[in-house]
Amino acid sequence: GESVGLHLPTLSVQEGDNSIINCAYSNSASDYFIWYKQESGKGPQFIIDIRSNMDKRQGQRVTVLLNKTVKHLSLQIAATQPGDSAVYFCAEKGGGFKTIFGAGTRLFVKA
Amino acid sequence: DTEVTQTPKHLVMGMTNKKSLKCEQHMGHRAMYWYKQKAKKPPELMFVYSYEKLSINESVPSRFSPECPNSSLLNLHLHALQPEDSALYLCASSPGRDETQYFGPGTRLLVL
Repeated sequence: GESVGLHLPTLSVQEGDNSIINCAYSNSASDYFIWYKQESGKGPQFIIDIRSNMDKRQGQRVTVLLNKTVKHLSLQIAATQPGDSAVYFCAEKGGGFKTIFGAGTRLFVKA
Repeated sequence: DTEVTQTPKHLVMGMTNKKSLKCEQHMGHRAMYWYKQKAKKPPELMFVYSYEKLSINESVPSRFSPECPNSSLLNLHLHALQPEDSALYLCASSPGRDETQYFGPGTRLLVL
C-alpha cells in the first residue's frame, strides 16, 4: 500500500552542525511533498515543500531534495540551532485532499 | 491573518458529556480538515470539508460529528466518547485540494 516512511526515528546533532532528515515514499503517483515541524504541545508547522517537477528547493536554512528515481526525500537544515529541536514529518500528496504522513523523526540539538 | 486558531486548548470530559471543539481561519481557504494525533504518531485524517460540504469521512465513529457553519469555521461535536479517544485534535485548512495544509495548535482532549 501507499506509505511514507523515515529511515531514522531519532537524530541527535551538535548545535551549529548541519542536519539531514531522510524519508522514503512508495507511491509513484505522489507529485507533491511537504516537510512539517512539530514542537512539543503544538500543531505541525509547514517548513518547505517541493513538487515532482523539481529535485531541489531552498528556503531559509532549509533545503529539500527529491530523488524520484529511488523515491527518496530529504530535509537539510543548515547550522542547526536549539530551536530546531522538534519532530519532523515528511508528507506526500498524489492529488486530492489526502496527505500521507511519515512516521516522524525526532531531532535533538545538543548545545 | 495567516493562522488557524482552535479552542479550547485543553479539554477534559467524562464519557457521558457533550462538548465541541472549534476551529477558525480567515485566510480564505476553501478546504478544512480535522485530524486526530496520538502521542508519538503522525496526524490521522478524520474529516475534510470543501466549500462547506463534507468531502471525506475516514470511517470515523458517529460519536464524532463535524460541522462547517461557514467558510471560516469548523466544529467537531463530541458525545459519549471513550478513554481511547483521548488525543490531540488538530484542525487544518488549505487553499484548495492539492495545496499545503496549515495546522492550528490543536486541542488536547482527555476523556475520563
